[in-house]
Amino acid sequence: AQKITQTQPGMFVQEKEAVTLDCTYDTSDPSYGLFWYKQPSSGEMIFLIYQGSYDQQNATEGRYSLNFQKARKSANLVISASQLGDSAMYFCAMREGGSYIPTFGRGTSLIVHP
Amino acid sequence: DGGITQSPKYLFRKEGQNVTLSCEQNLNHDAMYWYRQDPGQGLRLIYYSQIVNDFQKGDIAEGYSVSREKKESFPLTVTSAQKNPTAFYLCASSIVAGATEAFFGQGTRLTVV
Repeated sequence: AQKITQTQPGMFVQEKEAVTLDCTYDTSDPSYGLFWYKQPSSGEMIFLIYQGSYDQQNATEGRYSLNFQKARKSANLVISASQLGDSAMYFCAMREGGSYIPTFGRGTSLIVHP
Repeated sequence: DGGITQSPKYLFRKEGQNVTLSCEQNLNHDAMYWYRQDPGQGLRLIYYSQIVNDFQKGDIAEGYSVSREKKESFPLTVTSAQKNPTAFYLCASSIVAGATEAFFGQGTRLTVV
């Protein structure tokens, strides 16, 4: 069974609008961490944001916020005020408590239109 | 500037040949990782190293080998035993294994011809 599910293969958004990228996860470990990475066409993965399972508040980093709904096992990424440079692949990942290594989802392609 | 350098960016290999992908970091990170990415897939871990002279297999280590003789270098060899080596390979590092943030290189695209 997949541990990380990203159901949206592609998303389109108008510049300056907000967009939500979905991610659901599956784990029975009470201790885990959730990550979002951005992969532009140049190929490198860029770390965006992290949420720990015991964190009380949703993580935010600039225009990125993570909408963490523990009971639903979802960790959606919200990008506010989209910019053309936000066009990229976005990957959700989860690391369980006993592991050093996250498991990645298949990614969502985001295209920002002017 | 500090970062991770992967070379070459594109690599072509004939079937039956071994090939080595280079990964160098000047971030003074202890941990380094190799991932494979196939179209429409997320990243899958090949090998990782927590410290010099030590490394562990990931989910898809068969047909690959690594070495970690220096802190800044973690080369990956794709051997002829790897049945389907055509893929995009990403190297990463973090200050220690399991750190929140990992830094990635720009990748090497390997094609078997």
